[in-house]
Amino acid sequence: KNEVEQSPQNLTAQEGEFITINCSYSVGISALHWLQQHPGGGIVSLFMLSSGKKKHGRLIATINIQEKHSSLHITASHPRDSAVYICAVRRGATNKLIFGTGTLLAVQP
Amino acid sequence: DVKVTQSSRYLVKRTGEKVFLECVQDMDHENMFWYRQDPGLGLRLIYFSYDVKMKEKGDIPEGYSVSREKKERFSLILESASTNQTSMYLCASRPRDRAYRSGNTIYFGEGSWLTVV
Repeated sequence: KNEVEQSPQNLTAQEGEFITINCSYSVGISALHWLQQHPGGGIVSLFMLSSGKKKHGRLIATINIQEKHSSLHITASHPRDSAVYICAVRRGATNKLIFGTGTLLAVQP
Repeated sequence: DVKVTQSSRYLVKRTGEKVFLECVQDMDHENMFWYRQDPGLGLRLIYFSYDVKMKEKGDIPEGYSVSREKKERFSLILESASTNQTSMYLCASRPRDRAYRSGNTIYFGEGSWLTVV
């Protein structure tokens, strides 16, 4: 079983819909990252969380440390949000991240 | 803005060739990383470096080596390329942890697509 599990693996939405991507992990962590990868490869860090909730524009990320679960929400989705969204966790003070396998999101106009 | 630059976006190399993938970051970050990304496997850590001339093996170091002679530059070396090293390679950097930083976030390059034939 992977230490970081994301769901769903694939998601198709209509423009304007509210989207939720989930991440569950089975290890103790010091931080959780949400990353976005567009076709072509480059990865952008959206959020780094250690507790609570963060918001940036239409994106909201939450984490529940007790339940070992995080969610990424996209409000008023747009075709430009189409990308792979990757959850990654950092264990303690280590330099290593453990990555989920990603959620492929397609937002249709 | 932090910039992580990978020298080559697309490379085609022959089996047995020595391959260098270069990565440069411009924000004085202590930590630098090399990952490879393969379908269905996600990102896997090959090597990382936490300071000049310092390196540590990641999860899949076999067949690779690295060099960090200057703080801003981290090179990945395939001593003798093989077809199973065909992949997308991503470099990343992150500052060292301090007492508190508003973000010890990680910054990635654009990726290098390597095909070994």
